[in-house]
Amino acid sequence: DGGITQSPKYLFRKEGQNVTLSCEQNLNHDAMYWYRQDPGQGLRLIYYSQIVNDFQKGDIAEGYSVSREKKESFPLTVTSAQKNPTAFYLCASRRGGDQRNIQYFGAGTRLSVL
Amino acid sequence: GIQVEQSPPDLILQEGANSTLRCNFSDSVNNLQWFHQNPWGQLINLFYIPSGTKQNGRLSATTVATERYSLLYISSSQTTDSGVYFCAVTRQAGTALIFGKGTTLSVSS
Repeated sequence: DGGITQSPKYLFRKEGQNVTLSCEQNLNHDAMYWYRQDPGQGLRLIYYSQIVNDFQKGDIAEGYSVSREKKESFPLTVTSAQKNPTAFYLCASRRGGDQRNIQYFGAGTRLSVL
Repeated sequence: GIQVEQSPPDLILQEGANSTLRCNFSDSVNNLQWFHQNPWGQLINLFYIPSGTKQNGRLSATTVATERYSLLYISSSQTTDSGVYFCAVTRQAGTALIFGKGTTLSVSS
């Protein structure tokens, strides 16, 4: 089935540890996005990538890093510099050249701090 | 940047009731999407509706772009409609979505 796969569903981070969240899509979409959701809040943009080997910071990029070595994959690393990482993380993608700008979302990863 | 406000923040309904959710945005948009977030967190696309009216079963949406608001109508609500409904917009193609804080809907039988 075509879609966006995020893994793992649940992740626990120890103090001072870096963790990486996976996002893979087989939709042949060019653009990919990472959002963070805190309880009772909307989603906020962390990073986005319009094409392979290129990405831009969003509104809350501090303490996070990304890479885009393959079109299908856009992993997010939550570094030890992110002091409040507990949140729900959602990955999205969009077809290149889609002037309607419709985005599709994965099922998310819940990150908690031990 | 563009602001997105949703109302009401919370809505409690009996099964079978109708409801209207509102989304106001502060600037012109090229994309407006309505999402339903289910209890497991999955965001489900409901409508792409930067202007006009669309219907899908018991759900319909209307966006009046000139007045910068959109409405989501849910008729004959069911318990499975419970969850959080988000409105999200972009100002131009290629940019990321800007989300409102959502409306939490609880439907009881």
